[in-house]
Amino acid sequence: AQSVTQPDIHITVSEGASLELRCNYSYGATPYLFWYVQSPGQGLQLLLKYFSGDTLVQGIKGFEAEFKRSQSSFNLRKPSVHWSDAAEYFCAVASMNSGGYQKVTFGTGTKLQVIP
Amino acid sequence: EAGVAQSPRYKIIEKRQSVAFWCNPISGHATLYWYQQILGQGPKLLIQFQNNGVVDDSQLPKDRFSAERLKGVDSTLKIQPAKLEDSAVYLCASSPGTSGGTELYEQYFGPGTRLTVT
Repeated sequence: AQSVTQPDIHITVSEGASLELRCNYSYGATPYLFWYVQSPGQGLQLLLKYFSGDTLVQGIKGFEAEFKRSQSSFNLRKPSVHWSDAAEYFCAVASMNSGGYQKVTFGTGTKLQVIP
Repeated sequence: EAGVAQSPRYKIIEKRQSVAFWCNPISGHATLYWYQQILGQGPKLLIQFQNNGVVDDSQLPKDRFSAERLKGVDSTLKIQPAKLEDSAVYLCASSPGTSGGTELYEQYFGPGTRLTVT
């Protein structure tokens, strides 16, 4: 069964500092990986996705993530954090199930606090 | 294009009462998902529709939860009777479908319905 682990429940960074949020997945084949962001009271918004090809993927809002197969990781990064980035971030893995439909599993999330 | 619509945004009920949530997905999206997100946790899939058929309801508490997607468009999720542990945000999402390329994996989420059971 596929699974996602986000080891950091809460992270605090200063505005302008760099950010890295960790995500580890468990899946037998090549996974499809996603990062979503959820602002308070809102639904989830897709930041970026990895399906194949270049292991460094660019997303919206200046975010990027790197797929490392050897480490089963898909960490999210941003070189300079803005106060508006304060939100909760979810990593997810998707695969096709035996019925031919996608199955998506989300991590438990990392809450990002940005201090001035 | 219009996003995924959900209503109501907030609902407070007493335990043992019933409640229903409505979702209208993005036009043309064949796949619709209902998730339960308990505070401090990631979304948990309750049920997944492909058009108007159920493809995954393995985590739906069927003794109290039900969902339907008539005509393969909008959907309703019902809880009857509600329990205290049902307090959560209920998220609806949609994706294009099973055909085509990797875009079928991209889910678009609505704002959610926050349910409080007292």
